[in-house]
Amino acid sequence: DVKVTQSSRYLVKRTGEKVFLECVQDMDHENMFWYRQDPGLGLRLIYFSYDVKMKEKGDIPEGYSVSREKKERFSLILESASTNQTSMYLCASSWGRGPNVGETQYFGPGTRLLVL
Amino acid sequence: AQSVTQPDIHITVSEGASLELRCNYSYGATPYLFWYVQSPGQGLQLLLKYFSGDTLVQGIKGFEAEFKRSQSSFNLRKPSVHWSDAAEYFCAVYNAGNMLTFGGGTRLMVKP
Repeated sequence: DVKVTQSSRYLVKRTGEKVFLECVQDMDHENMFWYRQDPGLGLRLIYFSYDVKMKEKGDIPEGYSVSREKKERFSLILESASTNQTSMYLCASSWGRGPNVGETQYFGPGTRLLVL
Repeated sequence: AQSVTQPDIHITVSEGASLELRCNYSYGATPYLFWYVQSPGQGLQLLLKYFSGDTLVQGIKGFEAEFKRSQSSFNLRKPSVHWSDAAEYFCAVYNAGNMLTFGGGTRLMVKP
């Protein structure tokens, strides 16, 4: 079974702090994704990566950056956390390099971030 | 732009009753459609997906969905709901940029 793990289930940070969210997958997937989940809005794509050191902006990249130094690990960085970044963050991975229509994405359990 | 609409934010059904969750999509080409479920405190788990062929798709946990091109719909159904089905359900479609676009979700509550 594919396993996608996220470093923290819950995080509480203060406004202006730098925040790192880590995601690791164990299925040798090329593609990895970071989503933000808010009530009534579903999931919105922040960034994705289809190879080591590659990254592409999703629908809502403002205020975020990412890092992918190893194939299995994809980090989401909030350079200066703000209260409007309080949310649930979900990481996902899928097979194949680049956007692949129809490929199933496998999700981690999520990190619930509260910015005070 | 592609979009996915789940008209029902909350649905409550009695245990043992049938269930239908609605999903409407906006997409010009043949859609690739998914239903995911998110149990409390969990990530998203794939229930089923439709790419082509038979418009009635069977998934895990006794769920099925029917693709209706004429109605731009991909509704999820289950004949008899169990208390463990209480969760949030998301419909999604691959968009023109080959990324998944998600609906807003439907939260299902099951009465004993």
